[in-house]
Amino acid sequence: AQTVTQSQPEMSVQEAETVTLSCTYDTSESDYYLFWYKQPPSRQMILVIRQEAYKQQNATENRFSVNFQKAAKSFSLKISDSQLGDAAMYFCAYRSRTSGTYKYIFGTGTRLKVLA
Amino acid sequence: IAGITQAPTSQILAAGRRMTLRCTQDMRHNAMYWYRQDLGLGLRLIHYSNTAGTTGKGEVPDGYSVSRANTDDFPLTLASAVPSQTSVYFCASSEVFGSYNEQFFGPGTRLTVL
Repeated sequence: AQTVTQSQPEMSVQEAETVTLSCTYDTSESDYYLFWYKQPPSRQMILVIRQEAYKQQNATENRFSVNFQKAAKSFSLKISDSQLGDAAMYFCAYRSRTSGTYKYIFGTGTRLKVLA
Repeated sequence: IAGITQAPTSQILAAGRRMTLRCTQDMRHNAMYWYRQDLGLGLRLIHYSNTAGTTGKGEVPDGYSVSRANTDDFPLTLASAVPSQTSVYFCASSEVFGSYNEQFFGPGTRLTVL
């Protein structure tokens, strides 16, 4: 069974600095999707960035980028130039692409604090 | 554009009572999902629907039922609530079931079962 692990329950970063959130996963599948979602205090989850496993190039969305290491089954999120609005819970998620199955597995989350 | 709405925002419920959590989306998405979020456990999928008229079981379906009579609505029913169902419940939708598409989430319903 697939699992997603976020080993950092909480992280802190100084405003304008860079922070990296870790995510590892376990799967026997070769093709899948990976996502990072943000959950601010308002509770509503928002997609931050996504990656297709067959693509070697790391996804980038403005200040957010990922370091996707398929062999190591690692999918870390880097936030550059951190802003106060980045403070939130961040969830890593795995989505299976195996035909006939539906698996969308979330990690337990990392709470990011941004210090002014 | 509202996106996904959920009702109620929060609810306190006596054990043994029946409760329906409502979810409505206005994006004409084919797929809809129900998750529960518990501290230390992240989000876990309860049920999903890949299109109107069809539903499927997720990771933690026991004690819950869903229906998908039309594209927009996807209610979640607890037939006889138990304290272990105390959680925050999120409804989500995506344009296509099981794809690379982003899931859009509702604001959640905080349910407390006493």
